[in-house]
Amino acid sequence: DGGITQSPKYLFRKEGQNVTLSCEQNLNHDAMYWYRQDPGQGLRLIYYSQIVNDFQKGDIAEGYSVSREKKESFPLTVTSAQKNPTAFYLCASIASGGAESYNEQFFGPGTRLTVL
Amino acid sequence: ILNVEQSPQSLHVQEGDSTNFTCSFPSSNFYALHWYRWETAKSPEALFVMTLNGDEKKKGRISATLNTKEGYSYLYIKGSQPEDSATYLCAFSKDTGRRALTFGSGTRLQVQP
Repeated sequence: DGGITQSPKYLFRKEGQNVTLSCEQNLNHDAMYWYRQDPGQGLRLIYYSQIVNDFQKGDIAEGYSVSREKKESFPLTVTSAQKNPTAFYLCASIASGGAESYNEQFFGPGTRLTVL
Repeated sequence: ILNVEQSPQSLHVQEGDSTNFTCSFPSSNFYALHWYRWETAKSPEALFVMTLNGDEKKKGRISATLNTKEGYSYLYIKGSQPEDSATYLCAFSKDTGRRALTFGSGTRLQVQP
């Protein structure tokens, strides 16, 4: 079955540590996205990548970094510079190709990060 | 950052009730309006993608309408069932290369048996 996997499901981090959240897709999608959700707020865009070896900052990129070395993988690193990293993180991808997809996004199950 | 507003924030209904939610979005540079259903412990699931003013989409007991000129969309659920309990997200995309969605904070629906 095609889909998006994220790991781990739950992650605990001590203050001052960097952690990396995994996102893998086997949908052959070109574009991938990272969102963050906080209670009472909508999903906010952290970083996105429209093609391998290229990525762009989203609306709340400070304290995060990403890489896109393979089409299937888009890991997110939460660095110690992120002031309030406790949140739920969702990875998504968009079908490749024409406008008929209208940017419909497919989501992974998410990772809940807690800073201790 | 664009603002997408959803109302109500939460809703409790009885099984069999019909209900509707509202999504408001900026109407400039409109490209598409999305509705997702997000059940606890699952990935958000796409319900509808709408692009044209006056669009109406239906999937079973759930339907949606779109008004791009005034910047709103309604989601309707007819005869709510307990399995409809979820958070319903609205998201908006502009006609730009970024292709990312701007999400509202969602409407949390709880259907009591």
